[in-house]
Amino acid sequence: DTEVTQTPKHLVMGMTNKKSLKCEQHMGHRAMYWYKQKAKKPPELMFVYSYEKLSINESVPSRFSPECPNSSLLNLHLHALQPEDSALYLCASSHSSGAGETQYFGPGTRLLVL
Amino acid sequence: RKEVEQDPGPFNVPEGATVAFNCTYSNSASQSFFWYRQDCRKEPKLLMSVYSSGNEDGRFTAQLNRASQYISLLIRDSKLSDSATYLCVVNGAGANNLFFGTGTRLTVIP
Repeated sequence: DTEVTQTPKHLVMGMTNKKSLKCEQHMGHRAMYWYKQKAKKPPELMFVYSYEKLSINESVPSRFSPECPNSSLLNLHLHALQPEDSALYLCASSHSSGAGETQYFGPGTRLLVL
Repeated sequence: RKEVEQDPGPFNVPEGATVAFNCTYSNSASQSFFWYRQDCRKEPKLLMSVYSSGNEDGRFTAQLNRASQYISLLIRDSKLSDSATYLCVVNGAGANNLFFGTGTRLTVIP
């Protein structure tokens, strides 16, 4: 089972709201990732967690706050977002964070910030 | 310079045609290479990894040329279901942070 699940599928929020995106995998993977994808653009890496510890933060603004409560779950907490943050947010996981490991993507959360 | 560059297309080909996509990468220390497929409004899905010796999976053949830092994907006998965006993906050296090309849009026409 190579399934990564994400909730919600769609989210509309105002600039003053606080919301969270959730990602879950039960493949025993120890690396999890958040990507942001704008329309007609490729995914861009935001964060990498390896063994529940943040290992890469690609200079993402602090209004995005990741959290990895356990090896199966990855959250992305959102606060005071801007309209330009509207995008598809993809979660991925891999067996480890070593080079060459295949990343499996979830279906994404489509976020609209008004 | 972008980490990964590929022709965005679009490529419009008839059913049964053979089509090739190319991609170049800038970091000579990159170790892992992939082709992902992304359907409209869906997540990227791994199509195949790319190995130095070249590899084939049914109608799909991937090639890697490390000297030229060039990756290719060949699709033979195109099917309507092959219509999608094909993303060339390269990892950052020594880590598993992936860099995606802009994707090449393929439409297979009946």
